[in-house]
Amino acid sequence: QVQLQESGPGLVKPSETLSLSCSVSGDSISSYYWSWIRQAPGKGLEWIAYISSSGSPNYNPSLKSRVTTSLDTSRRQFSLRLNSLTAADTAVYFCARARGGRSYFDYWGQGTVVTVSS
Amino acid sequence: EIVLTQSPGTLSLSPGERATLSCRASQSVNTVYLGWYQQRPGQAPTLLIYGASSRAAGIPDRFSGSGSGTDFTLTISRLEPEDFAVYFCQQYGSSPYTFGQGTKLEI
Repeated sequence: QVQLQESGPGLVKPSETLSLSCSVSGDSISSYYWSWIRQAPGKGLEWIAYISSSGSPNYNPSLKSRVTTSLDTSRRQFSLRLNSLTAADTAVYFCARARGGRSYFDYWGQGTVVTVSS
Repeated sequence: EIVLTQSPGTLSLSPGERATLSCRASQSVNTVYLGWYQQRPGQAPTLLIYGASSRAAGIPDRFSGSGSGTDFTLTISRLEPEDFAVYFCQQYGSSPYTFGQGTKLEI
């Protein structure tokens, strides 16, 4: 059973950097593409970025200047860093698995709530 | 960026009825790259349909997807109580990958 679990701070101050991790269990981390997706309160879903199994990233242009993602196969984790936070970054952040760069998300984490506030 | 517009925003139906949800794309989407997800309150989305018409593992056959080009449809043939949720379409063929704004299916 594939499981993804996000971890990170629930509250971050404006202008600071958000760091999230997603731990993967139940399958190899080396064979898939790993994405971050967020959902602002009462809103729809926004794809943020993915990291491929070879460590190549792809970012949403709307966030590209502020986001980086990385993969740690030894720890079976991948990570997201989003800087220069504002209240508009308040959202539930999900990690998800895809079978390739142009593929659907077949497994999701439960999501972690991030609030940007002073 | 491909914009996906879902309609209606809210659909009010009763258990046992048929639901038809629409997803329209701002430009043509290859059917291979169109998916549907269900999201219940407080939960992560769950994959229902991929490739416009293929059901994901474990998804009941009352869920079906169809369409091509810019117009896609998710149909739920006979609504069960657990089907009342929010549904999103997604295109994953052109980066950035985008989702529709969602259709809320309510009793």
